[in-house]
Amino acid sequence: KAGVTQTPRYLIKTRGQQVTLSCSPISGHRSVSWYQQTPGQGLQFLFEYFSETQRNKGNFPGRFSGRQFSNSRSEMNVSTLELGDSALYLCASSLERTSDEQFFGPGTRLTVL
Amino acid sequence: EDQVTQSPEALRLQEGESSSLNCSYTVSGLRGLFWYRQDPGKGPEFLFTLYSAGEEKEKERLKATLTKKESFLHITAPKPEDSATYLCAVQAEYGGSQGNLIFGKGTKLSVKP
Repeated sequence: KAGVTQTPRYLIKTRGQQVTLSCSPISGHRSVSWYQQTPGQGLQFLFEYFSETQRNKGNFPGRFSGRQFSNSRSEMNVSTLELGDSALYLCASSLERTSDEQFFGPGTRLTVL
Repeated sequence: EDQVTQSPEALRLQEGESSSLNCSYTVSGLRGLFWYRQDPGKGPEFLFTLYSAGEEKEKERLKATLTKKESFLHITAPKPEDSATYLCAVQAEYGGSQGNLIFGKGTKLSVKP
């Protein structure tokens, strides 16, 4: 079956801009989680969506937001970009819960200049 | 505060030289402990979930074990294709990070032929 897809794969933005990243989960998966990965902080949980509702949220500022559509596809948005937002953003999908086996996408590499 | 510490940060082995990776955790009630493998340029790949102390799971050359304070990932007779970063994550039952996956920073394993 097709895996988790993320678009775009690479993105370069400047400080102050905003960005939207997209994630298509595995067919039949209803839970979508987003993570930020940096060399210094490692993998950090951003938020989880299930049935178009945010179910869990990590410790990130309000500039980071997301949504999920009725087909389980998800988007995350970062407004007023800062240099520290440069990271690999990973999306993961699972059947129902984050405790189920999570399948990760290849990530979107965001560079903020 | 819920946290995960992995050691060592990096490990270099010769092919066939068995070893163990450590994951120490403090969490407000353990809902589950997860092991992932991440290859460069890719998203993490799920390996195991452990739920209670004493539990063990195996997959090919890998065996994961769990105690009340730590988990070990034992690698028996590793091959060069086992080279990757191994990530450990916990999910808390209670507290502010309830339901979120908290990742360690990983152990980068290199297996030389």
